[in-house]
Amino acid sequence: QKEVEQNSGPLSVPEGAIASLNCTYSDRGSQSFFWYRQYSGKSPELIMFIYSNGDKEDGRFTAQLNKASQYVSLLIRDSQPSDSATYLCALRRRDSSYKLIFGSGTRLLVRP
Amino acid sequence: GAVVSQHPSWVICKSGTSVKIECRSLDFQATTMFWYRQFPKQSLMLMATSNEGSKATYEQGVEKDKFLINHASLTLSTLTVTSAHPEDSSFYICSTGPSTDTQYFGPGTRLTVL
Repeated sequence: QKEVEQNSGPLSVPEGAIASLNCTYSDRGSQSFFWYRQYSGKSPELIMFIYSNGDKEDGRFTAQLNKASQYVSLLIRDSQPSDSATYLCALRRRDSSYKLIFGSGTRLLVRP
Repeated sequence: GAVVSQHPSWVICKSGTSVKIECRSLDFQATTMFWYRQFPKQSLMLMATSNEGSKATYEQGVEKDKFLINHASLTLSTLTVTSAHPEDSSFYICSTGPSTDTQYFGPGTRLTVL
């Protein structure tokens, strides 16, 4: 079982819709969770991180964490064609190292 | 603006040669930097953790004698791919940050070995 699992997609949504990206993880002791966006041929950009159960909002983005169910999601409101990218979920293990473990990413396509 | 830089952004080399990639933190001191590799349409794979003033920590399956890491200052880490072969062609990315929850990626280095 992979530590971080994501559906590869593509997830296709119309412009203006809410895009919902999901991620599950296997280690209950994982502490922090991150969402990155990666455009083709570019390096990942940090969108936001979350470490407490519940929701965390930043502009059009909302991260949701449910530790009991071991999933973390990212909602993108008012999706724009420029949001079309691969979204990477990552976690930090409980071993207190700084390193991040990444999922394989979900490709999002926002149709104009 | 960018907080982590990498140089070069792309490099083409002949098989058997060595290639050095630099990663710099621009606005903060970085005692720890991470090196990742990403093959086309695959996720990032952590190669090693670079620690300022001490030896790097390599992930399982990564040859430390092939991928030499030097972190000689608080703003610079280098990755040298020694005796590169075509299978080493990949997108190499470093990351670092001012805190554990704020890790930024460099723009990446695309290596092509002929």
